[in-house]
Amino acid sequence: QLVLTQSPSASASLGASVKLTCTLSSGHSNYAIAWHQQQPEKGPRYLMKFNVDGSHTKGDGIPDRFSGSSSGAERYLTISSLQSEDEADYYCQTWGPGIWVFGGGTKLTVL
Amino acid sequence: EVQLVESGGGLVQPGGSLRLSCAASGFTFSSYWMSWVRQAPGKGLEWVANINQDGSEKYFVDSVKGRFTISRDNAKNSLYLQMNSLRAEDTAVYYCARCPNSRYFDLWGRGTLVTVSS
Repeated sequence: QLVLTQSPSASASLGASVKLTCTLSSGHSNYAIAWHQQQPEKGPRYLMKFNVDGSHTKGDGIPDRFSGSSSGAERYLTISSLQSEDEADYYCQTWGPGIWVFGGGTKLTVL
Repeated sequence: EVQLVESGGGLVQPGGSLRLSCAASGFTFSSYWMSWVRQAPGKGLEWVANINQDGSEKYFVDSVKGRFTISRDNAKNSLYLQMNSLRAEDTAVYYCARCPNSRYFDLWGRGTLVTVSS
């Protein structure tokens, strides 16, 4: 079963960096994923698609502060130089034959 | 401007029906898979349904199979979600999303709220 697991919450200080983790279920460690951001009271926003080979496709206007990486079944979203507007929920998402799956989301608090 | 705008949400009684619409603009609508994704109050995102470019392929999450139908009108640049036999657990904000190559969602609307309650 295709499942994505995310920690429910994370926090980091203004100006610092944070690394959010998304873990793919067993047997799916070679899957690409996408990251989406949802600021409070807003709709989701596409950040990037990340492939296992390290290549990625960012959404329009997404700053270089947002980057993706991976190790095994884990996919990471790193946000550097944290700004107040980065406080949001972050969702990873993947897909398989006839199914599209989201992780439970990580709520990022900027201190 | 590239955008998706949903409409049609509202309050409906359990067992009732509702039809959501999504108007696309700023891109070649007929070239893309399209999707509906929902978010229950205080919860995470849940994929609901996908449709391919000409409407010949459709996929649904198990919880809505047999109750929801997805369709599109490429001449009107519009996507639809017909929701029948609505349940309280269908209460959510419903988002329209573009789904290039039926993989990820790269453009989102602002959503429309559906409340199922008596």
